[in-house]
Amino acid sequence: AQSVTQLGSHVSVSEGALVLLRCNYSSSVPPYLFWYVQYPNQGLQLLLKYTSAATLVKGINDFEAEFKKSETSFHLTKPSAHMSDAAEYFCAVNLGGSQGNLIFGKGTKLSVKP
Amino acid sequence: GAVVSQHPSWVICKSGTSVKIECRSLDFQATTMFWYRQFPKQSLMLMATSNEGSKATYEQGVEKDKFLINHASLTLSTLTVTSAHPEDSSFYICSARATGVNTEAFFGQGTRLTVV
Repeated sequence: AQSVTQLGSHVSVSEGALVLLRCNYSSSVPPYLFWYVQYPNQGLQLLLKYTSAATLVKGINDFEAEFKKSETSFHLTKPSAHMSDAAEYFCAVNLGGSQGNLIFGKGTKLSVKP
Repeated sequence: GAVVSQHPSWVICKSGTSVKIECRSLDFQATTMFWYRQFPKQSLMLMATSNEGSKATYEQGVEKDKFLINHASLTLSTLTVTSAHPEDSSFYICSARATGVNTEAFFGQGTRLTVV
């Protein structure tokens, strides 16, 4: 069965510091992986996605993630945190196919200190 | 990206009444729509998947008679919480995707339901 594990429910960084949010997946088939951001009382916005093309995926707002099959990981990074990056981040795996739904991790709340 | 509009963004209702939440795809035809529920400080839990013109498929543990889902057109799906109770208070989010391989699902902005 497919699943997603996000290590760390809360990550705090200083403004300008590196952001690293961890995500590990379990899938019996080649996965499609996603990172979403959620601001308070809002829906989800797609940051980036991996769909079996390049293993290093670049997304919006300078976020990027690298798919590492050997480590079953898809960690999200950003070189320099901005105050506006403070939000909840969700990693998700797609069960595949055009009708596949998303399985979400439990989320990681990112705090950015001035 | 494509736009999915969810309405209302928040609603307060009395216990025992029913509430309808709409999810519209504004610039694409949504063959499939998903309804999620999110408890405070928790992840999204899939409630049901609906395909246009057919009955929704509910996840285990979700009462289909309580959470009525209709997907009558390619641009609109509705979730009706019937006989709402305080424990139904939650954040409900829909997503919509078009037909095709690897098509992206776009999310609505969510609906905060409070039952008093």
